[in-house]
Amino acid sequence: DVKVTQSSRYLVKRTGEKVFLECVQDMDHENMFWYRQDPGLGLRLIYFSYDVKMKEKGDIPEGYSVSREKKERFSLILESASTNQTSMYLCASSPLQGQGLHTEAFFGQGTRLTVV
Amino acid sequence: QKEVEQDPGPLSVPEGAIVSLNCTYSNSAFQYFMWYRQYSRKGPELLMYTYSSGNKEDGRFTAQVDKSSKYISLFIRDSQPSDSATYLCAMTVSGDKIIFGKGTRLHILP
Repeated sequence: DVKVTQSSRYLVKRTGEKVFLECVQDMDHENMFWYRQDPGLGLRLIYFSYDVKMKEKGDIPEGYSVSREKKERFSLILESASTNQTSMYLCASSPLQGQGLHTEAFFGQGTRLTVV
Repeated sequence: QKEVEQDPGPLSVPEGAIVSLNCTYSNSAFQYFMWYRQYSRKGPELLMYTYSSGNKEDGRFTAQVDKSSKYISLFIRDSQPSDSATYLCAMTVSGDKIIFGKGTRLHILP
């Protein structure tokens, strides 16, 4: 079974702190994603990566950055946390097939981040 | 018009009923269609995956894609209280990001 592991289930951070959310997948997937999920807004894509050291902005990248130094690990960084970044953060991975085809994404359990 | 539309519910049905969940979409280039189930405080888990048009069945679940109408459905037969969750549809064009619906909250009443 595919396993996507997020380092923390719950986090509480102070405004202005630098926050790191870590995600590791064990199925050698090329693609990795970071989403945030908010009531009424659904899943919104923050950043994604097709390969090591590659990253692409999603729909809401402002206030976030990412790092992918190894294939299995994708980190989300909040440079200076703000209260409007309080949310559920979900990491996902998917295999790459053929000419950049996306297939199904597998999700981690999520990190519920509260910024106070 | 949003790319993917999904009624947020909540949808409440009695145990044993057939449940129908639906999404409409606007991008005719979508080829891969997925349904995810998400329990409270958990990450979404993949339930069904379909390529192009047609039906796919897996136990009590049937996924249906009608590309001509830009409409996808998930049917749950003999619904159980354990099916109570939020169901998200998702779709993608090859070489592009996955687009999710906002999810439908489903309650199965014992």
